Amino acid sequence: GAVVSQHPSWVICKSGTSVKIECRSLDFQATTMFWYRQFPKQSLMLMATSNEGSKATYEQGVEKDKFLINHASLTLSTLTVTSAHPEDSSFYICSARRGFSTDTQYFGPGTRLTVL
Amino acid sequence: AQSVTQPDIHITVSEGASLELRCNYSYGATPYLFWYVQSPGQGLQLLLKYFSGDTLVQGIKGFEAEFKRSQSSFNLRKPSVHWSDAAEYFCAVGGGDMRFGAGTRLTVKP
Repeated sequence: GAVVSQHPSWVICKSGTSVKIECRSLDFQATTMFWYRQFPKQSLMLMATSNEGSKATYEQGVEKDKFLINHASLTLSTLTVTSAHPEDSSFYICSARRGFSTDTQYFGPGTRLTVL
Repeated sequence: AQSVTQPDIHITVSEGASLELRCNYSYGATPYLFWYVQSPGQGLQLLLKYFSGDTLVQGIKGFEAEFKRSQSSFNLRKPSVHWSDAAEYFCAVGGGDMRFGAGTRLTVKP
């Protein structure tokens, strides 16, 4: 159990367009979902934390108007990269957690975004 | 503020040899500690976690880690490495917001 999926697994888009990435908890209800960004050969950087039905909390330095996060249900969160530019190219990973802060975060397989 | 340091960027071991990956943390209270493994182009898989209790934690795939409060460390160990263990390993700390170390890339020589 505790499977998290992401869609798409990879996407290529033109500069200036918007891209939506979905994160789903397949077999559990996720009160909290997290979005991370990972540059090549680097660690994961937390971008934002979202709780179902609430506005996301963004980490310092992350533009909330550029990275729109919606956590509309207990099994789905979306990250929309608006007006994407080449510097937004990265590996985006989501994770989901059932409820308490001590619960394990389960990670999705990631989405590779390339902006041309 | 919580933080994690993984001093070794890259480690190479021979298949069958023992492995230890280092992790040091900074945290204001009793930390929640994790080790994750990431294969190329993949998400993260939880190897093991420590919240409280026994300081020696057993995980999947034959891994274990020991929490040492006095040294602020949570090193990952495996007695005999397999070629399939080659991957990137991340140590993380936190309950709510998780913070990751920079990662250690493990190469396994035949």
